[in-house]
Amino acid sequence: EAGVTQFPSHSVIEKGQTVTLRCDPISGHDNLYWYRRVMGKEIKFLLHFVKESKQDESGMPNNRFLAERTGGTYSTLKVQPAELEDSGVYFCASSPHTGANVLTFGAGSRLTVL
Amino acid sequence: EDQVTQSPEALRLQEGESSSLNCSYTVSGLRGLFWYRQDPGKGPEFLFTLYSAGEEKEKERLKATLTKKESFLHITAPKPEDSATYLCAVQAGDYKLSFGAGTTVTVRA
Repeated sequence: EAGVTQFPSHSVIEKGQTVTLRCDPISGHDNLYWYRRVMGKEIKFLLHFVKESKQDESGMPNNRFLAERTGGTYSTLKVQPAELEDSGVYFCASSPHTGANVLTFGAGSRLTVL
Repeated sequence: EDQVTQSPEALRLQEGESSSLNCSYTVSGLRGLFWYRQDPGKGPEFLFTLYSAGEEKEKERLKATLTKKESFLHITAPKPEDSATYLCAVQAGDYKLSFGAGTTVTVRA
């Protein structure tokens, strides 16, 4: 079984530019989560999709962040325009259904904003 | 707001030297407490879920226990391959995971 795949593994951009991160969950997993870890801090929840619907986006820091999951398969997380404080590692995770509370995480996308 | 505090931040062990990691938590309506292992450049890898006080789970050299206020991850006779960051997380009624900052364990041969 393929795991959760994230792309790119590392992105370096200038402040003010746009970056799009992609996550391919495990096939058949309805639940998809985005988390991030900024330098020196713990991993924090960003949002939760159930299929293509946003179930909970209470962790999204501001309106510069936009997450989509068209068709209920892969998801993208766009940061526009990027700020210095957006630097960190963005993790995607998936689970087969909402009652299954064990998440499988991807390797993460490291974002560096200069 | 859910709070998870892990201690110590870092732990250096000699191979074979057993030790314990602590995870203290405050959560309203605990659904589960999770232990994950994270290696450099990789995502968290699931180890255990504990659901109620008194519960214990084991996997190879690792044993996790749970009380109403904290969880311990015991590492018995560690090997260098046990070197990693160990993350504790709690899940409340909304299914979000709240993570601690982690304990980085280094095991020297």
